[in-house]
Parts: sequence; C-alpha cells; structure tokens
Amino acid sequence: AQSVTQLDSQVPVFEEAPVELRCNYSSSVSVYLFWYVQYPNQGLQLLLKYLSGSTLVKGINGFEAEFNKSQTSFHLRKPSVHISDTAEYFCAVSWGTGGSYIPTFGRGTSLIVHP
Amino acid sequence: ETGVTQTPRHLVMGMTNKKSLKCEQHLGHNAMYWYKQSAKKPLELMFVYNFKEQTENNSVPSRFSPECPNSSHLFLHLHTLQPEDSALYLCASSQHGLAGTDSYEQYFGPGTRLTVT
Repeated sequence: AQSVTQLDSQVPVFEEAPVELRCNYSSSVSVYLFWYVQYPNQGLQLLLKYLSGSTLVKGINGFEAEFNKSQTSFHLRKPSVHISDTAEYFCAVSWGTGGSYIPTFGRGTSLIVHP
Repeated sequence: ETGVTQTPRHLVMGMTNKKSLKCEQHLGHNAMYWYKQSAKKPLELMFVYNFKEQTENNSVPSRFSPECPNSSHLFLHLHTLQPEDSALYLCASSQHGLAGTDSYEQYFGPGTRLTVT
C-alpha cells in the first residue's frame, strides 16, 4: 500500500525563524502532492499543491514546497514564521494515472511558534 | 453559503441515541467524503461517494450509516455509538472523474465535534 510519512510529529520554532516540515511518500509514479493546514477547531485548508510543471510550488501565507522525485519528498518551508502559523500541517498524496484519486494523508506535524 | 458547511458543529449524545450529521457543499463537486479525526491518530477515511454512488467503505462499523441523496448533500446517521467514537467528523468534497475538470484537492468543512457519553 502507498504511504505518506511526516517525519516530525511536533516542530517548535521561534517567531521570525525559518521552518521546514518534512514529508516523504512511498512511490514516485505519477503523484499529486498537497499540503493542508488545520487551525484549532477548524477543518483542513489547502496551502499548496503540486500536479505537474515547476517543482517549486508557492502557496498561501508565504509557504512554499519543493517536489523532489528522486528522494520522493515534498517538504514545506517558510522563511520567517509568525505566531499565527501555529497549527497542524498535513501532507497528502494522490497517486494519479491508474491509481486512486483519493489522497493518503500523513499523520500531521504540529507547528508551534513561540514569541 | 460558500464552500463546505457542516451541521451541527458540536454534538453530545448518549450511547442509545440516534442522531445525524449533515454536510452540504456549494462548489458543484461530484465527490464527497467522511473522515474521522481522533486525537493522536491519523485522519481516517470512512466513506466516499462519487456521483452519489458509494465507492469506498473502509471497514466502518454499521453503527455509522452514510446517505448521499444528491451530489451536494451528505449525511452520516449515527446510532448506538460507543465512547471511542468521540472525535471530530470532517466532510470534504472534490471534483473528479470528468475529463479536464479534475481538481484533485479536497475542500473541507469545519467539522462536527462529537462527544459520546
């Protein structure tokens, strides 16, 4: 079965510092990649997605992610975080052609931004 | 209303009660999903409907019964639940299956926080 691994369950960081949240998946064949954010007591909201084209993808709130096919990774980065970025972040992967369109989610990474 | 809405936002029910969760999407999508989100556990896919037909049922206990009367509405009927069913229940929708219109990403509602006593 296909799998998605978020290596860190919790990432503490100080405000204005850079952050990277890691995501790896099990197979590189025709993937669609997503990062979602979940604020407390809310549903998941799409941050960014990679379907094809440029491997560097920019999303909302200053986040970006890079698709690395050889390393089967899709790490999320932000150069300078704010207190308001404190939330749960989920990586998700759909295996495209011939596969299911239903995404597989990672377990989530809790980003905690300290003042 | 825009996006995906869910009602109620909070629900407390006894183990012998019957209740229903409602989800409505205003995005014109054809696929709808129920997820269960428990503390310290990964997101669990429960049911998927595509063009009103159920396409996935991930070994969900029969005390959870989904209903999809049209591609805009999705219900989750609950009866004789257990305390371990307490969780956040999320509804999502996406567009898939029509050539050139697939968007792949899911749009989530705010969830229903369910507490079983």
